[in-house]
Amino acid sequence: DIQMTQSPSSLSASVGDRVTITCRASQSISSYLNWYQQKPGKAPKLLIYDGITLQSGVPSRFSGGGSGTDFTLTISSLQPEDFSTYYCQQSYGTPPTFGQGTQVEIK
Amino acid sequence: EVQVVESGGGLVQPGGSLRLSCAASGFTLNNYWIHWVRQAPGKGLMWVSHIIGDGTKTSYADSVKGRFTISRDNAKNTLYLQMNSLRAEDTAVYYCVKGGAYSTSPFDSWGQGTQVTVSS
Repeated sequence: DIQMTQSPSSLSASVGDRVTITCRASQSISSYLNWYQQKPGKAPKLLIYDGITLQSGVPSRFSGGGSGTDFTLTISSLQPEDFSTYYCQQSYGTPPTFGQGTQVEIK
Repeated sequence: EVQVVESGGGLVQPGGSLRLSCAASGFTLNNYWIHWVRQAPGKGLMWVSHIIGDGTKTSYADSVKGRFTISRDNAKNTLYLQMNSLRAEDTAVYYCVKGGAYSTSPFDSWGQGTQVTVSS
């Protein structure tokens, strides 16, 4: 199975901060990397797919980068509604696997 | 509007069985890969199973292989997850998730989840 490792596991940031979350795959996954946002008690929501493509309706302050084994999710200016847990997921191989999550908290 | 709605969760004793249902609307199940993903209390996301668009292939996580079965009723546009020999570690919220037309497609629509609790 392809292992996905996110860093950091959690972070504290202020409204307006630029935030970057990293995801590393245990082998090359080309650009088949997706990012999800999950708020407490809610289902995850797709933010970015294929490494860099913003899902319809997702604010442009979210962006994705990377290919191969190293990927990033960047929030250019953190908003109050962005305080959530973020997961990366590879869709290159079966089983699809998720990172352990990054919890973004208010400083 | 694309929507998936899960049902069938509940409290079951270890060794028992449950069948989860996932009713789809706004799209036809047999055109897409459909997945079950679960989340144990306070934990991350774990893929459980999928069925491909034409229904010819299914896959399972190692931890559920031989105990869980995914199936589909095209006439009802409904997906199922039959869960047998349930264990305490199967306790989780189970999400039905719509994928795309390919194995590499992202998980673009999630249901609200249904809680499964395995306990005596």
